[in-house]
Amino acid sequence: QVQLQESGPGLVKPSETLSLTCTVSGGSVSSYYWGWVRQTPGKGLEWIGYVYNTGGSKYSPYLKSRVTTSVDTSKNQFSLRLTSVTAADTAVYYCAKVASWNYYDFEDWGQGTVVTVSS
Amino acid sequence: QSALTQPASVSGSPGQSVTISCTGTSGDLTTNNYVSWYQQHPGKAPKLLIYDVTNRPSGVSNRFSGSKSGNTASLTISGLQAEDEADYHCGSYTSRSTLVFGGGTRLTV
Repeated sequence: QVQLQESGPGLVKPSETLSLTCTVSGGSVSSYYWGWVRQTPGKGLEWIGYVYNTGGSKYSPYLKSRVTTSVDTSKNQFSLRLTSVTAADTAVYYCAKVASWNYYDFEDWGQGTVVTVSS
Repeated sequence: QSALTQPASVSGSPGQSVTISCTGTSGDLTTNNYVSWYQQHPGKAPKLLIYDVTNRPSGVSNRFSGSKSGNTASLTISGLQAEDEADYHCGSYTSRSTLVFGGGTRLTV
């Protein structure tokens, strides 16, 4: 079981870019697929996208125009950028490891990081 | 934006069984068996309970079981315990290679 830890600013201004990093320990970022999920206060989970160790990605159709992800093998990290944020992007953001048995579920999760969009 | 529909809340007494439903639409669980369930305690990250409709990851209690009929998947928790009180989320991998979740169900024991 790998461990994941999200990091990044807890407060982002409207129209600016949200940037988060997920640091992986107990496994190599090159060996698995990864993903991002968010949860708005009191609401359900929302899938943001998958990050593949090949460098590819797949994003939610609702967010794909604003999302980019990347992998840094030298730091064993992967990252999320969400542009032009609004108050609707205020949420707890989770990074997670994709399950090795079906390549779409999430078997390990970070603890989550709260991001507030406000001026 | 929830593509899957779950009841907002369910409740049960200790020792009883409870079932949580998850209803999909065309392109997700209605046409495949890629359904998963996650448990989330307050302030904690989700935990995968069930994948591919019926399978449990190693370490998950056999009190948790999954099933599917038509466009509705179900999670059944038997022998309810106080520690089962949590939010439960269903998820489905779609024909467009995306993942959709339900709105979540609050279980009160």
